Amino acid sequence: EVQLVESGGGLVQPGRSLRLSCAASGFTFDDYAMHWVRQAPGKGLEWVSGISWNSGSIGYADSVKGRFTISRDNAKNSLYLQMNSLRAEDTALYYCAKARHYDLESSPPSNWGQGTLVTVSS
Amino acid sequence: QSALTQPASVSGSPGQSITISCTGTSSDVGSYNLVSWYQQHPGKAPKLMIYEGSKRPSGVSNRFSGSKSGNTASLTISGLQAEDEADYYCCSYAVILWVFGGGTKLTVL
Repeated sequence: EVQLVESGGGLVQPGRSLRLSCAASGFTFDDYAMHWVRQAPGKGLEWVSGISWNSGSIGYADSVKGRFTISRDNAKNSLYLQMNSLRAEDTALYYCAKARHYDLESSPPSNWGQGTLVTVSS
Repeated sequence: QSALTQPASVSGSPGQSITISCTGTSSDVGSYNLVSWYQQHPGKAPKLMIYEGSKRPSGVSNRFSGSKSGNTASLTISGLQAEDEADYYCCSYAVILWVFGGGTKLTVL
């Protein structure tokens, strides 16, 4: 059974940094691309970033480009999101999601974790 | 990158069929057969219902179907059931990134 467990969320001041982690199990992690998707309180889903199986292809939403960095460690079955220069509008539940295939370009989010909440406020 | 356009809400009675539209552009929905649909119940993580426009993952009821015409994709739910009441989101590839629709709240009357 696919399991994705996010961690690292919390309350952070504007301008500060936070690093999210996602621990994956129940599948061969390095066979799949991975995504981060967020959902602000009471709002819809927003794709944040994605990474291919070998980190060779990476994409970001315009809203986070230059501030967030996605990475993965296939040896540790883990996905990360380094978030810098955080803003109030980054407040959201952040989901880690497994893609359907190894590549980022044809693989939407498939299996989802339960999310970790990030609150940006002074 | 703009969000795909979905109606804010749709409703139907048990047993009926409903269709949710998802309108994009020639840069996303219109260019790729890579539209997916997600169901989200309150307080729960999203669940993939349709991928690549019309394919269903294992375990998803065949009451759910997807299609596309031009820049607009559609999700149809037939034989509406109470447990179908949820938020539904479309998602499309758009060249090195993915974009979601604003979501549609389905109410089963």
